Amino acid sequence: EAQVTQNPRYLITVTGKKLTVTCSQNMNHEYMSWYRQDPGLGLRQIYYSMNVEVTDKGDVPEGYKVSRKEKRNFPLILESPSPNQTSLYFCASSSIRRGNTEAFFGQGTRLTVV
Amino acid sequence: DAKTTQPPSMDCAEGRAANLPCNHSTISGNEYVYWYRQIHSQGPQYIIHGLKNNETNEMASLIITEDRKSSTLILPHATLRDTAVYYCIASSGYALNFGKGTSLLVTP
Repeated sequence: EAQVTQNPRYLITVTGKKLTVTCSQNMNHEYMSWYRQDPGLGLRQIYYSMNVEVTDKGDVPEGYKVSRKEKRNFPLILESPSPNQTSLYFCASSSIRRGNTEAFFGQGTRLTVV
Repeated sequence: DAKTTQPPSMDCAEGRAANLPCNHSTISGNEYVYWYRQIHSQGPQYIIHGLKNNETNEMASLIITEDRKSSTLILPHATLRDTAVYYCIASSGYALNFGKGTSLLVTP
């Protein structure tokens, strides 16, 4: 079954404690991205990756890092989380074939930073 | 990518067709129209996309006007499980700029 898997689904952490949210896809997609969703602000892209070792900033990259060492994995790293990073996070993947960019989303990670 | 405009909310009776409009008057020739939906706080789900022609799949139909300045997503027989936020997105690449979408409420 085609899927994007994020872990953990829920996380409560303290300010400044480094954390990683993992994302894995089984569809051999080139393009992967991270979004955060906040009430009233909708879904905003944090980072994206066009392929292995190719990453770029999205609309709200401050405070986040990503890496793409393997095609299937695209972890989101918060080196020093702050309360304003409390949010619902989604990972997505898609093919880069033009006109065939159906994106698949993970189930989300609800992060609370206290 | 072109900006899209959708009504903030709509209601539909169960079993009836739900017609969700989207305006994308500045869409360029290489931009596709995509529709996604998000049920409660789940990950967005792809519904359908098209360039110029009308499209239909097992979930919905997409009607794009001849001038491509607007489109309509049609859920032919809405069910309670179709209650969700529906996003219309114009994109020529891979980035999806989600706006506020239309919150569709299907009522019994």
